[in-house]
Amino acid sequence: QQQVKQSPQSLIVQKGGISIINCAYENTAFDYFPWYQQFPGKGPALLIAIRPDVSEKKEGRFTISFNKSAKQFSLHIMDSQPGDSATYFCAANFGNEKLTFGTGTRLTIIP
Amino acid sequence: DAGVIQSPRHEVTEMGQEVTLRCKPISGHNSLFWYRQTMMRGLELLIYFNNNVPIDDSGMPEDRFSAKMPNASFSTLKIQPSEPRDSAVYFCASIPNPPGELFFGEGSRLTVL
Repeated sequence: QQQVKQSPQSLIVQKGGISIINCAYENTAFDYFPWYQQFPGKGPALLIAIRPDVSEKKEGRFTISFNKSAKQFSLHIMDSQPGDSATYFCAANFGNEKLTFGTGTRLTIIP
Repeated sequence: DAGVIQSPRHEVTEMGQEVTLRCKPISGHNSLFWYRQTMMRGLELLIYFNNNVPIDDSGMPEDRFSAKMPNASFSTLKIQPSEPRDSAVYFCASIPNPPGELFFGEGSRLTVL
């Protein structure tokens, strides 16, 4: 039962471009939407998170856009850099429930 | 702060052998999670504990898998007998109190031949 669908599976972006990763969820009770970043050989680490009372959250070059009516949220990476090359996971949960992760997007930034 | 510590980092074993993975959560964190990561299925939650008590083990794939948390600073994930399809990276993560940021260890890469 996949409650969070993530796309694309892989993404190649030129340096300086905008990287966009999308997620859709099914459970309308979800109220916490984090994004995790994972580098090869490492565990995932929290990048940025949003709650549904706002439609956008920005931290540096990273922005989460949230569309509650469409049950979708996305990660935008502005001015993408080679150091951003990693796997990105969206996730969601509500209350004290366990996080449900998307299947991940492997992002590659090329010079 | 040491972070979540997992051991071993790499394990290669033969089918049928017992495998034990270990995790030390961050001190003061009340909840501990075991995840499995594969290319095909991404990150799957196997089991999680709150205050050393197993809360949800619905993700444990089979009876061959078992997990324990005898105290607040130690947990094990055991596979007996192991099979090639168990080959994956197993992550342990902890959290002070849900909801909030999950802190992951660096993972244990298991290869079952």
